[in-house]
Formats: sequence, C-alpha cells, structure tokens
Amino acid sequence: QIVLTQSPAIMSASPGEKVTMTCSASSSVSYIYWYQQKPGSSPRLLIYDTSNLASGVPVRFSGSGSGTSYSLTISRMEAEDAATYYCQQWSSYPPITFGGGTKLEIK
Amino acid sequence: QVQLQQSGPELVKPGASVKISCKASGYAFSTSWMNWVKQRPGQGLEWIGRIYPGDGDIHYNGKFKGKATLTADNSSSTAYMQVSSLTSVDSAVYFCARNYDNIMDYWGQGTSVTVSS
Repeated sequence: QIVLTQSPAIMSASPGEKVTMTCSASSSVSYIYWYQQKPGSSPRLLIYDTSNLASGVPVRFSGSGSGTSYSLTISRMEAEDAATYYCQQWSSYPPITFGGGTKLEIK
Repeated sequence: QVQLQQSGPELVKPGASVKISCKASGYAFSTSWMNWVKQRPGQGLEWIGRIYPGDGDIHYNGKFKGKATLTADNSSSTAYMQVSSLTSVDSAVYFCARNYDNIMDYWGQGTSVTVSS
C-alpha cells in the first residue's frame, strides 16, 4: 500500500504568515486530497484532486503537486486555521490511506 | 442538505461486539458509497472500508477483514458497522463518510467506542 508521510508533524505560524506543509507518497499517486480536523470535530474536506477547493473553503487555501510530492498552502494564516491537516490518496486502492497529519498551531 | 447522523457513544467489554449506525439524509442513499474511518485517541485517520448500498458491494482494508463488518439498509437509509472481538486497540472514534465522485465530502459526527471491563 502507498504510505503518505506528512511534514512537519507540528508547526506554528503567526496571523498573516504564509504556511506550507507537505505530503510525500511512497509511490506516485494521481491525486491528493486534504482534510482539516479541529479537536472534537469530524474531518472537513479542503482540497480535492490535488488543487481544487472544496465548497465553502476560503481562497487562502491552495494545493499543488504531482507524482510523489504534494503541498498545502495557506496564503495568510488566520486563528481559525489552527487544526490538524491530513492528506489522503486512493490512486492505489484498496486501501485508501491517510498521512499521519500536520498539527498547525497559532503563535 | 446532506446529513450523516451516527449513533451514540458505546462502552463495551473486551471480547464483545458493537454495532454502530450512520443514518443518511438529504441525498439518494443507495447511489453513493459509504466509508468508515477509525481514529484512535490522539492518532491519525485509518480507512476501514466502504459499502455501496445500491448492490451491497463492499471493499475492506485488509487490516480490518474479520474485525469489521459493513452492512446497509436502503429502507431506512442507514449504514452499519459491526466491530467484533473488541480489545483496547479498538477503543476509538469511528466516522462514517459519504463518497461522492472520489471525494469523502460529508462526514458523520463520529461515534466513540470505549473498550473496558
């Protein structure tokens, strides 16, 4: 199965700062999906098919990448963006696999 | 609007089984796959499997074969997951999530399962 490795595991950013986190796949995948999860809540879809913004997601979020290397960027950090972010693939299915997550904290 | 309403928290004894429900509304239940995802305390997300209610087709993560059993009832638009032979490692929050065009777009609120004697 394809293993997704997210880095960093934990990071912090000040309001207004640009944030970039990465997701590395053990083998090439066609698309990556990104989810945001806040404590006590369900995951929320942010990005699908690598770079498409899900409905209702602020435009400060963007996704990019190809092959084995993908990234999620927040153009300007806001307090409400503090959460854990997961990447996910299913190019090699089954199973669907998730990365271990990047916890983003506000400074 | 699409909603997935999961059953309440469970406290179960080791060795027992538990059956969790996920009641769907706001869309044609039989025409979308339903996924199940596990999250242990403080840990990441793990895909268990998915079921297509329209024809009962099921795909499992090999890790959960024999541990989880997925079913669906089209008459009540409800998906179920039974987890058997429970141990401490099965203590987790379990989510259902609708599949739409390769996207897990709507998620249930999660069901907490605690395995303890």
